[in-house]
Amino acid sequence: DIVMTQSPDSLAVSLGERATINCKSSQSVLYSSNNKNYLAWYQQKPGQPPKVLIYWASTRESGVPDRFSGSGSGTDFTLTISSLQAEDVAVYYCQQYDTPPFTFGGGTKVEIK
Amino acid sequence: EVQLVESGGGLVQPGGSLRLSCAASGFTFSGYWMSWVRQAPGKGLEWVANIKQDGSEIYYVDSVKGRFTISRDNAKNSLYLQMNSLRAEDTAVYFCARVYGGDSKYRYFDLWGRGTLVTVSS
Repeated sequence: DIVMTQSPDSLAVSLGERATINCKSSQSVLYSSNNKNYLAWYQQKPGQPPKVLIYWASTRESGVPDRFSGSGSGTDFTLTISSLQAEDVAVYYCQQYDTPPFTFGGGTKVEIK
Repeated sequence: EVQLVESGGGLVQPGGSLRLSCAASGFTFSGYWMSWVRQAPGKGLEWVANIKQDGSEIYYVDSVKGRFTISRDNAKNSLYLQMNSLRAEDTAVYFCARVYGGDSKYRYFDLWGRGTLVTVSS
């Protein structure tokens, strides 16, 4: 199984500041034939289901604010919130969809400092 | 409105069975791979199972193989999860999720239901 490791487990950021979340996969999720990374990021607010923010590691889902961006390739990925807003308080998960079982990272809780 | 609505959760004793349902609406259900994903209380997300549009391909996480069965009824726009031999560690909110695109199982989850809670306890 591909193990997804996120860091940090939690972080507190001031409003308007940058938040950076890391995700590392135990094996590459880059598919060479199409040069796509099979990696998504989800946001989950309390009492709600997850919502996809980013897929193919760096493609923003329709309607997601452009302060959210994804980067990385192979085994190392980053989700960046460029200017944290109050409504961004949530737990963020990375997920690989390259190989079943489609595993998630342990989550990163983002709070306001 | 495009949505998924789960039902069927509840309290069940260890070793018992439960059948979850997910009703889809607002999109062509038969055109998509579908999944179940679960989340234990206060914990992270765990993919449980996938099923192809026509049910001809099915995948499970190892921890539920032989105990859980995913199925679907495209005429009823419904997804199911039959859970047998339940254990305390199966306690979780179970989400129904749509796999994006319909052309492959190797895609992210683009639509989620609100989940149904399954509690396994004596």
